Amino acid sequence: EAQVTQNPRYLITVTGKKLTVTCSQNMNHEYMSWYRQDPGLGLRQIYYSMNVEVTDKGDVPEGYKVSRKEKRNFPLILESPSPNQTSLYFCASSLRGGAVFTQYFGPGTRLTVL
Amino acid sequence: AQSVTQLDSQVPVFEEAPVELRCNYSSSVSVYLFWYVQYPNQGLQLLLKYLSGSTLVKGINGFEAEFNKSQTSFHLRKPSVHISDTAEYFCASYPPGGSNYKLTFGKGTLLTVNP
Repeated sequence: EAQVTQNPRYLITVTGKKLTVTCSQNMNHEYMSWYRQDPGLGLRQIYYSMNVEVTDKGDVPEGYKVSRKEKRNFPLILESPSPNQTSLYFCASSLRGGAVFTQYFGPGTRLTVL
Repeated sequence: AQSVTQLDSQVPVFEEAPVELRCNYSSSVSVYLFWYVQYPNQGLQLLLKYLSGSTLVKGINGFEAEFNKSQTSFHLRKPSVHISDTAEYFCASYPPGGSNYKLTFGKGTLLTVNP
């Protein structure tokens, strides 16, 4: 089954404790992206990747890192999480960047930083 | 810069009633427009998209949307809703060209269908 998976689905952590949220897709997609969803703000893009080893900042990249060493994986790294990073995070992928290519979303990771 | 505005944060309706979820966009150039649906505790799923051509776009689950360039709108409609349509709906735009291939989302409209 074609899908985007994220792990963990739920995470409670404390300020400053490094964490990684994994994202994996099995559709051989070139484009991958991370969004965060906050009440009343919709989804905002954190980082995106056009292909392996090609990443760039979205609208709200501060406090986050990403890497794209393999085509299927696009982990989101919070080196020193803070309470303002408490949010619902979504990973998405599409065959390529561009409106023609539908973005498929993972199920989300709900992160709480105490 | 382009932006998307969803005019209603919440829309309560009764089952089998028609519904319209409103979305306006602002852009000095043409845009591509999308509607996504998010069911409770799930990720986003594409309902429909407008890239070019016919201004009336049909999507999944009986939804449709009309692109109106003069009014810069892309409202989502369904003639008769079901309880299962209860979800949050997001309008999004995508600039032609551009360098970051970013979907810009509205703030969402929570559709609640009551029996």
